[in-house]
Amino acid sequence: AQSVTQPDIHITVSEGASLELRCNYSYGATPYLFWYVQSPGQGLQLLLKYFSGDTLVQGIKGFEAEFKRSQSSFNLRKPSVHWSDAAEYFCAVTNFGNEKLTFGTGTRLTIIP
Amino acid sequence: EPEVTQTPSHQVTQMGQEVILRCVPISNHLYFYWYRQILGQKVEFLVSFYNNEISEKSEIFDDQFSVERPDGSNFTLKIRSTKLEDSAMYFCASREQSTDTQYFGPGTRLTVL
Repeated sequence: AQSVTQPDIHITVSEGASLELRCNYSYGATPYLFWYVQSPGQGLQLLLKYFSGDTLVQGIKGFEAEFKRSQSSFNLRKPSVHWSDAAEYFCAVTNFGNEKLTFGTGTRLTIIP
Repeated sequence: EPEVTQTPSHQVTQMGQEVILRCVPISNHLYFYWYRQILGQKVEFLVSFYNNEISEKSEIFDDQFSVERPDGSNFTLKIRSTKLEDSAMYFCASREQSTDTQYFGPGTRLTVL
């Protein structure tokens, strides 16, 4: 069965600092990987996705993620965070022909001035 | 930009009552989903729907749950007799034929008393 692990429940970074959120997946087939962000009281907004090709993908709001098959990872990065990036971040996985997304438990990001 | 909408944003009900959660998917999308997120837990898949029938459902989606597309725009989730443990945020999502990307609505927070 597919699974997603986000090892960090809560991360605090200073505004302007770099950010990396970790995501590891367990999946037998070629995965389709996603990062979603959930701001307080809001729904899930798609940040970026990886299906195939270039393993470094760019998303909205200055985020990027790198797919590393050898490490079964899809970590999310941002070079300089802004206060508005404070939110919950979810990694998710599926594959071609699979209807459901499997989500990680999420990482809550706090930004300090 | 087209988006998935959900109503109501918050529903409070008594245990044993029926509730209907409504979603309007993005207009050219053909695949529809419901997920739920119990407070503090991960987002979980409930059901997927295509061509007016359920294509996949999780073990959570028991006989108390049903889905329907009553007209050309709405997609509903009905819980026949709510239980306390049904309290959660319920997310609707949709995707178009040519992509594996699901777009989520803002959610309905269901509180069962």
